[in-house]
Amino acid sequence: GAVVSQHPSRVICKSGTSVKIECRSLDFQATTMFWYRQFPKQSLMLMATSNEGSKATYEQGVEKDKFLINHASLTLSTLTVTSAHPEDSSFYICSAASPGGYTEAFFGQGTRLTVV
Amino acid sequence: GENVEQHPSTLSVQEGDSAVIKCTYSDSASNYFPWYKQELGKRPQLIIDIRSNVGEKKDQRIAVTLNKTAKHFSLHITETQPEDSAVYFCAASRGNAGNMLTFGGGTRLMVKP
Repeated sequence: GAVVSQHPSRVICKSGTSVKIECRSLDFQATTMFWYRQFPKQSLMLMATSNEGSKATYEQGVEKDKFLINHASLTLSTLTVTSAHPEDSSFYICSAASPGGYTEAFFGQGTRLTVV
Repeated sequence: GENVEQHPSTLSVQEGDSAVIKCTYSDSASNYFPWYKQELGKRPQLIIDIRSNVGEKKDQRIAVTLNKTAKHFSLHITETQPEDSAVYFCAASRGNAGNMLTFGGGTRLMVKP
């Protein structure tokens, strides 16, 4: 299957700082990537849809000015958590679907963000 | 939008027994239904999926059934093993490449040796 790489896998930051998470499709081009957030013992909740070359589409309740998404190329989407607070601590995970007619989603390894 | 409900939230079985997890969905346009296994701190792993033109699919000890009319689908694991212990998620999407997944709430499966 296709490979999606996400970095960093773990990050600890201080309150008020910003953190950037990268999601790369290594062996295919992804015009669309998705960012999910998963709190402990909960399901994956879609935060936003990242579209190459255009603005991201955010789900209801997700602050677009706090979670900045950039999808500048067909293989890279970034999520920046700005002015992070302890309540932003979570597992962030991206996914991409190969445009080659498959519907399977390929997930990155996830990023464990801890804000102290 | 799509809403996916998953039951039970926890399931404990004895090794060798079968486990069944059920999901319902709300969007009649959904036509792709994957199941994921997630171990703690790791990415979800696709274990089986089914498309709406098929009623059942099997892969060794794992099977999925789909009832489009009732909008529900189920995961069946037979001859469970301790390594099957994990959290399982069902999901639904409209199936086009790039379409988003809506996940169920998850089922924590514990297989006791």
